[in-house]
Amino acid sequence: KQEVTQIPAALSVPEGENLVLNCSFTDSAIYNLQWFRQDPGKGLTSLLLIQSSQREQTSGRLNASLDKSSGRSTLYIAASQPGDSATYLCAVRDIGSSNTGKLIFGQGTTLQVKP
Amino acid sequence: KAGVTQTPRYLIKTRGQQVTLSCSPISGHRSVSWYQQTPGQGLQFLFEYFSETQRNKGNFPGRFSGRQFSNSRSEMNVSTLELGDSALYLCASSLVSQGAYEQYFGPGTRLTVT
Repeated sequence: KQEVTQIPAALSVPEGENLVLNCSFTDSAIYNLQWFRQDPGKGLTSLLLIQSSQREQTSGRLNASLDKSSGRSTLYIAASQPGDSATYLCAVRDIGSSNTGKLIFGQGTTLQVKP
Repeated sequence: KAGVTQTPRYLIKTRGQQVTLSCSPISGHRSVSWYQQTPGQGLQFLFEYFSETQRNKGNFPGRFSGRQFSNSRSEMNVSTLELGDSALYLCASSLVSQGAYEQYFGPGTRLTVT
């Protein structure tokens, strides 16, 4: 059974710092991995999606990497800003669910960027 | 292009009642998935509908059900509500084509059961 873990559960950094959020999964047979952002009481905003054949994806100040063999993904945020404060979730789609909408989520990392 | 919309946004119900939540996907998206989010369990997959058929189901009791209409709009129903059903219910839609299958989430419906 696939399990997704995110460490740390919470992180507080000063503005301008570069930071890395971690995501690990127990079964390397994944189809893709998606990173989301969630603001308090709101829905999820998709940040980056990495296919299993890809090593990384970039969007602006965000860079996500995937090492399928070791069951790890990282989300790198450059030059953090207070507006980046949110909960960041990673989710995997298993090979067996490749043609379905089923995602398995980690518990998230709550990031606070202090001005 | 309009995003995923969910109605109502907030709902308060009493134990034993039933509730129906609605989700309208992004235009052209035929897959709709539902998730439950609670502080203790996090985000958990409920079920997915594609072309009016349930394609996948999570590990939830039969009190949780759903359907999809020909215009891809989806509803989920929870019968005989329990206190533990209090949660944020999120739906997500996907454009099913070869490749990414990226999911786009709505703002959620906050259900409180008293």
